[in-house]
Amino acid sequence: GIQVEQSPPDLILQEGANSTLRCNFSDSVNNLQWFHQNPWGQLINLFYIPSGTKQNGRLSATTVATERYSLLYISSSQTTDSGVYFCAVEPLTYNTDKLIFGTGTRLQVFP
Amino acid sequence: EAQVTQNPRYLITVTGKKLTVTCSQNMNHEYMSWYRQDPGLGLRQIYYSMNVEVTDKGDVPEGYKVSRKEKRNFPLILESPSPNQTSLYFCASSLRSVGMGMARRGSPLHFGNGTRLTVT
Repeated sequence: GIQVEQSPPDLILQEGANSTLRCNFSDSVNNLQWFHQNPWGQLINLFYIPSGTKQNGRLSATTVATERYSLLYISSSQTTDSGVYFCAVEPLTYNTDKLIFGTGTRLQVFP
Repeated sequence: EAQVTQNPRYLITVTGKKLTVTCSQNMNHEYMSWYRQDPGLGLRQIYYSMNVEVTDKGDVPEGYKVSRKEKRNFPLILESPSPNQTSLYFCASSLRSVGMGMARRGSPLHFGNGTRLTVT
């Protein structure tokens, strides 16, 4: 099956720093989403981004589907950005809306 | 407010005592799904439903049942819970994707706040 790898696995930042999280996938996809799991366990959808670039405030994401990767950029990080970031994909052959989740990047932002 | 509502948030029970975790969404979504999240294993799909009366197994369906009698509700049933079902459970919903292959267009998946289940 498809492999979804995220890097780095852990990231520690000071408030105000910028960061880039990466998601690589081993097969073609037609659906890619980024999620943030906050320290209270809630999973929040950040982006639905099967291709191209989107921005939402300090966060932006870019997916290059032909090269099988996606990047999540966090600028001017804040302590509230702490948590785990997941990317999830639906392989091209599935057609079931099923998302396969990566193992996540754990981000800690210190004041 | 558009949301996916799960109840309860926390549940402690004993082996063998049937329980139901409820999930309801108010966004008229066709697609609903249950996941469990375990340390080191990530998020794994238990069951999903593409529409009313249409359900299918995910990756780890053993020991679970679901039903989809109404569009908004998708309860998760543990007929005889066991300690290995201790986990954090999430319900999720989205509009159904349309099209096939490269032409397929999906929509964002929305999660409930989770149910932390402990089976002793």
